[in-house]
Amino acid sequence: GAVVSQHPSRVICKSGTSVKIECRSLDFQATTMFWYRQFPKKSLMLMATSNEGSKATYEQGVEKDKFLINHASLTLSTLTVTSAHPEDSSFYICSARVGGSPPDTQYFGPGTRLTVL
Amino acid sequence: GENVEQHPSTLSVQEGDSAVIKCTYSDSASNYFPWYKQELGKGPQLIIDIRSNVGEKKDQRIAVTLNKTAKHFSLHITETQPEDSAVYFCAASTGANNLFFGTGTRLTVIP
Repeated sequence: GAVVSQHPSRVICKSGTSVKIECRSLDFQATTMFWYRQFPKKSLMLMATSNEGSKATYEQGVEKDKFLINHASLTLSTLTVTSAHPEDSSFYICSARVGGSPPDTQYFGPGTRLTVL
Repeated sequence: GENVEQHPSTLSVQEGDSAVIKCTYSDSASNYFPWYKQELGKGPQLIIDIRSNVGEKKDQRIAVTLNKTAKHFSLHITETQPEDSAVYFCAASTGANNLFFGTGTRLTVIP
């Protein structure tokens, strides 16, 4: 159980276009999902916390108008990178928190590698 | 906020030997400590976790110890195998939303 999927796994786009990444919890309902960004050989950097049915909470320094997050259902959250630029190229990973007891456990998706040309 | 430090950054061991990775945390309110394994090009996979009401937890070849007084916790992998080669991250949480991650340890198991 506790499987999280992401789609697409890889995406290459041109500068100025927008890219949408989907994160799904396959076998559980996730009231909270998280979006991380990871640079090569670095740790995970939390970008935002997404709660179902409400606005996402962004970490300091993360542009909310550039990284649009929608958590429309208990099993789906999306991250849209708007007007992507080469510096947005990175590995984006989502996670979902299993509600109930224990509440802390986060399960991660397989990640999406974004390359902006 | 919470600050998690992780050592070593790289670790090479011979197959069959043990590997130990150590983390320290700063927030005494942290009460949940998961360990994740990340293989190249993949998302982190939860391998074991421990809560502050226990001092040790074991799952086959993997064990985690927690010293709340000293604010440190460790991952122990025994009888290492080449497929254990990966990057390992520790994390700490107060039970609220956020996980605070360590900087990662790249483990290489030499056949």
